[in-house]
Amino acid sequence: GQQLNQSPQSMFIQEGEDVSMNCTSSSIFNTWLWYKQDPGEGPVLLIALYKAGELTSNGRLTAQFGITRKDSFLNISASIPSDVGIYFCAGQLTGGFKTIFGAGTRLFVKA
Amino acid sequence: NAGVTQTPKFQVLKTGQSMTLQCAQDMNHNSMYWYRQDPGMGLRLIYYSASEGTTDKGEVPNGYNVSRLNKREFSLRLESAAPSQTSVYFCASSEATHSTQETQYFGPGTRLLVL
Repeated sequence: GQQLNQSPQSMFIQEGEDVSMNCTSSSIFNTWLWYKQDPGEGPVLLIALYKAGELTSNGRLTAQFGITRKDSFLNISASIPSDVGIYFCAGQLTGGFKTIFGAGTRLFVKA
Repeated sequence: NAGVTQTPKFQVLKTGQSMTLQCAQDMNHNSMYWYRQDPGMGLRLIYYSASEGTTDKGEVPNGYNVSRLNKREFSLRLESAAPSQTSVYFCASSEATHSTQETQYFGPGTRLLVL
């Protein structure tokens, strides 16, 4: 079945540094989503991308929908301790029941 | 406005025991989902309900049953729990599952340990 390769698996960074993570797939998607999961909580949507090439920002977060429709990246600028958590990418082809999730990137931020 | 709520938060079962995980949403969403999350893996869909009165299998349905009790509630039942079902279970809802621009909202999760 479809799979998403999310990298890196984990990142240890210093407060103030910029972060970049990405997802790639062998299949195309119509929608790319980025979620964040805080410890002990459910995932929360950060950014949704609906068009190939689309670049969208949400505060210090910026995400792009790759022009091939097979990849997406998420950048976090000037990281802060509350950015700690697991970041998931997800691809949708035809709707919610066909959402495929990446394995997640665990972000650790040292103050 | 609570969003998506799940009960219980934690549960320990012995192999062979049964239990039902409860989920409710107050956003008047049509579609609801059950996922499981295991270490090093992304969320995997167990079952979903596109609308009240319908349910369908997801990627990993074996060992589970679901009931869409009404528009608000979607329960997940383990009839005979196995250690392989130790996981964190998330319920989610969305306005419409077949929309191509559809966002899922997740509950806080139920952490299940099967001994």
